[in-house]
Amino acid sequence: AQSVTQPDIHITVSEGASLELRCNYSYGATPYLFWYVQSPGQGLQLLLKYFSGDTLVQGIKGFEAEFKRSQSSFNLRKPSVHWSDAAEYFCAVKTSYDKVIFGPGTSLSVIP
Amino acid sequence: DGGITQSPKYLFRKEGQNVTLSCEQNLNHDAMYWYRQDPGQGLRLIYYSQIVNDFQKGDIAEGYSVSREKKESFPLTVTSAQKNPTAFYLCASSDRRQGTEAFFGQGTRLTVV
Repeated sequence: AQSVTQPDIHITVSEGASLELRCNYSYGATPYLFWYVQSPGQGLQLLLKYFSGDTLVQGIKGFEAEFKRSQSSFNLRKPSVHWSDAAEYFCAVKTSYDKVIFGPGTSLSVIP
Repeated sequence: DGGITQSPKYLFRKEGQNVTLSCEQNLNHDAMYWYRQDPGQGLRLIYYSQIVNDFQKGDIAEGYSVSREKKESFPLTVTSAQKNPTAFYLCASSDRRQGTEAFFGQGTRLTVV
C-alpha cells in the first residue's frame, strides 16, 4: 500500500536559520511527489513538485526539495527561514491512477 | 478566475442529521478528491473520483457518500453513520496528466452538536 511519512511532528527554528523537513514515501512505481503548505484554517498551497528529470527541484518562497530514489525520500529545505514561514507542511505522493496521499504533516514554528 | 469553491465555510448540524458539503471547480479537471483533516492527523482521503459517474473509496470512507454526476461538482454527504463528523473538510481537483498537482478549496469546517 502507498504511504507517506513525515517523521517530525513539530519543528522549531530561529529566524534566519536553515530548515529541512523530512518526507519518506512508499510506492512501487515512479512517484509524483509534492510539498504543500497550509496556514491555519486555510486550504493548501503547492510549494513544489517532482515529476521527472532533475532530482533537485525549486519551488516558491525560496524552498527546494531533493528526490532520492534510493532512500525513498523527498526532503524539503530552505537556507534561511522567515517568520512568515511558520505553518503546517505536508508531503504528498500521487499514484499513476490519480490517488493523492498525504503525510501527517510537520508543524513549523519560527522564533524571532 | 479558475478555482475550487467549497461552501459553506462553516456548517453546524445536529447529531443524527445528514449534511451535504458542496465542492465546485471550473478548472476542467477530471479528478476530484475529498479529505478530512483533524488536528495533528494530516489529511486523510475519504473518496476520490477520476471521471464523471465513477468514484473510489479512500482510507476513511465509512459514514460518507459522494456522487459525481457532473465534471465540475463532487458533493460529499456526511451521514448519521459517521461517528465523529466534526472536522475540517477539504476538496481538491487535479488534471489527470502525469505529475500534475491537486488544487485545493478553502475548506468547510463542520461542527456537529
